[in-house]
Amino acid sequence: AQTVTQSQPEMSVQEAETVTLSCTYDTSESDYYLFWYKQPPSRQMILVIRQEAYKQQNATENRFSVNFQKAAKSFSLKISDSQLGDAAMYFCAYISNFGNEKLTFGTGTRLTIIP
Amino acid sequence: EPEVTQTPSHQVTQMGQEVILRCVPISNHLYFYWYRQILGQKVEFLVSFYNNEISEKSEIFDDQFSVERPDGSNFTLKIRSTKLEDSAMYFCASSGTRGTDTQYFGPGTRLTVL
Repeated sequence: AQTVTQSQPEMSVQEAETVTLSCTYDTSESDYYLFWYKQPPSRQMILVIRQEAYKQQNATENRFSVNFQKAAKSFSLKISDSQLGDAAMYFCAYISNFGNEKLTFGTGTRLTIIP
Repeated sequence: EPEVTQTPSHQVTQMGQEVILRCVPISNHLYFYWYRQILGQKVEFLVSFYNNEISEKSEIFDDQFSVERPDGSNFTLKIRSTKLEDSAMYFCASSGTRGTDTQYFGPGTRLTVL
């Protein structure tokens, strides 16, 4: 079974600075997708970024980028120029490309932005 | 931009009562999901639904749970006899033409069982 681990329950960063959230996963499969979702206090789950495992190029989305290390099974999220609106729980998630349609989530990292 | 909607936003019920949580997925999506998040815990998969049938379900999704797509737009989750431990946030999600397409989540329904 696949597992997703987020080892940082809480992180904080000064506004306008850069922060990196860690995620590791365990799978025996070679083809899969990885995601970062953001959950603000409203508790809605919002997609931040998606990465296909077969792509070596790291995904980017404006101020958000990932460092995908397939061999190390690591998928970290970098947030540049942090803004107050970035404060939220961040969940890393995994989905297999082999008929298993469910997202497996990590336990989340609570990010606080310090003004 | 199309989005997944869910109603109600908050449901309070007595233990043993039946509840139906409703979702309207994004209109051209073919895959539908329910997830649950107990307060302070991670999001857990309940069930996926494709082509008018359940394609996968978790151990949590026992006989007390059922899903239905009663018409072309709604997707419902029914809990037949609620328990205290069913109190959680329930998220509906939908994805496009493949199971691995990005899943877009609704705003959630907070279920409180008293």
